[in-house]
Amino acid sequence: DAKTTQPTSMDCAEGRAANLPCNHSTISGNEYVYWYRQIHSQGPQYIIHGLKNNETNEMASLIITEDRKSSTLILPHATLRDTAVYYCIVRVASMDSSYKLIFGSGTRLLVRP
Amino acid sequence: GAVVSQHPSRVICKSGTSVKIECRSLDFQATTMFWYRQFPKQSLMLMATSNEGSKATYEQGVEKDKFLINHASLTLSTLTVTSAHPEDSSFYICSARSGTQIRADTQYFGPGTRLTVL
Repeated sequence: DAKTTQPTSMDCAEGRAANLPCNHSTISGNEYVYWYRQIHSQGPQYIIHGLKNNETNEMASLIITEDRKSSTLILPHATLRDTAVYYCIVRVASMDSSYKLIFGSGTRLLVRP
Repeated sequence: GAVVSQHPSRVICKSGTSVKIECRSLDFQATTMFWYRQFPKQSLMLMATSNEGSKATYEQGVEKDKFLINHASLTLSTLTVTSAHPEDSSFYICSARSGTQIRADTQYFGPGTRLTVL
């Protein structure tokens, strides 16, 4: 029961910015948005996460709308190695007050030479 | 980021045998570890959550007697697939979350273990 909606696939040219959208219209006030990516036959790699403010790190930027119902992951200069499945995940609280990450189907990003 | 390892990376076994997969957090203490399964061309499916020193919590539809999880220390969790059958063939991935305040928000994933049951 993923709580996010992402396009099935996208592509972009190498060197250009890749903007990956995600809808999470039912997100609640204390739920974080996480982004992971999975390169074929590997474990997911953490990219970035945020609550309400925009975030930036060495890999990417995360832009969250003011109403928090959607977000965009930005890879500023995509390379061929960024070809992967990108997962946008809303952190779900567990019964024991911890949390778990439930993966949806993600966006398959293809970076073209 | 933090490092999580899994062993073995690949395993092939005969139907009816049991297989143990290890998951280790190498540079942090993991109070909580998670086990996922991924079938070809599908997304990751959460199987269970384990907290160090306590019983694992299984997701709906996951047989706890078939998938035994042990989280005996802050750096090691094991998943044992008992009496494996061909339909258990899958990519098994663990993840770990730190108990410290600084890293507690983030889950780090292992490289996965590909299980093939003949």
